[in-house]
Amino acid sequence: EIVLTQSPGTLSLSPGERATLSCRASQIVSSKYLAWYQQRPGQAPRLLIYGASSRATGIPDRFSGSGSGTDFTLIINRLEPEDSAVYYCQQDGSSFGGGTKVEIK
Amino acid sequence: QVQLQQSGPGLVKPSQTLSLTCGISGDTVSNDNAAWNWIRQSPSRGLEWLGRTYSRSQWYHEYALSFKSRITINPDTSKNQFSLHLNSVTPDDAAVYYCARGLVLTGLGFDCWGQGTLVTVSS
Repeated sequence: EIVLTQSPGTLSLSPGERATLSCRASQIVSSKYLAWYQQRPGQAPRLLIYGASSRATGIPDRFSGSGSGTDFTLIINRLEPEDSAVYYCQQDGSSFGGGTKVEIK
Repeated sequence: QVQLQQSGPGLVKPSQTLSLTCGISGDTVSNDNAAWNWIRQSPSRGLEWLGRTYSRSQWYHEYALSFKSRITINPDTSKNQFSLHLNSVTPDDAAVYYCARGLVLTGLGFDCWGQGTLVTVSS
């Protein structure tokens, strides 16, 4: 079973800054099956990125994904207050990482 | 627009079976390009994928190893819904349970989620 490890646990940044989130897999993951989600308090997760780098419908281009093999990255440019949330990676439509909390100062 | 509507009890007794249903509108459970999933979330365990069912000329069922011995996920084409049955629950099974759709187009990423059901396990 593939384990996804996300880092850092928490990011505290100011509006307008860039957030860089990491997702590392215990085995090689096909990029086709690597997804990122945003979860705000009290809500279900929302699909941001699929196929490692494709934005889901309605997701602004401030969000971008990259990576291959065992190392994947989510970048959020020009942070806005509404980006305050927990971000999860997922592989193969199954296991999730532990999440990175992004706090906007 | 696809919507998933969850139903089922929020309180289950220890050792009994947790049963939830996910009704689908705007798509069909038989969609050959979709997979229908159950996920749960708790503060101690985070997001856990439980399993999925999908149709590719025949029905398939895939379950997370941790739950394989006590979980069943079934489609109901007549009602356009799918269900989760988790046997022999313990307090560790208390969580918010979600259903979600994964698409072949999105590499099985979950583009649509149910509203979530908070399940408590208590006598």
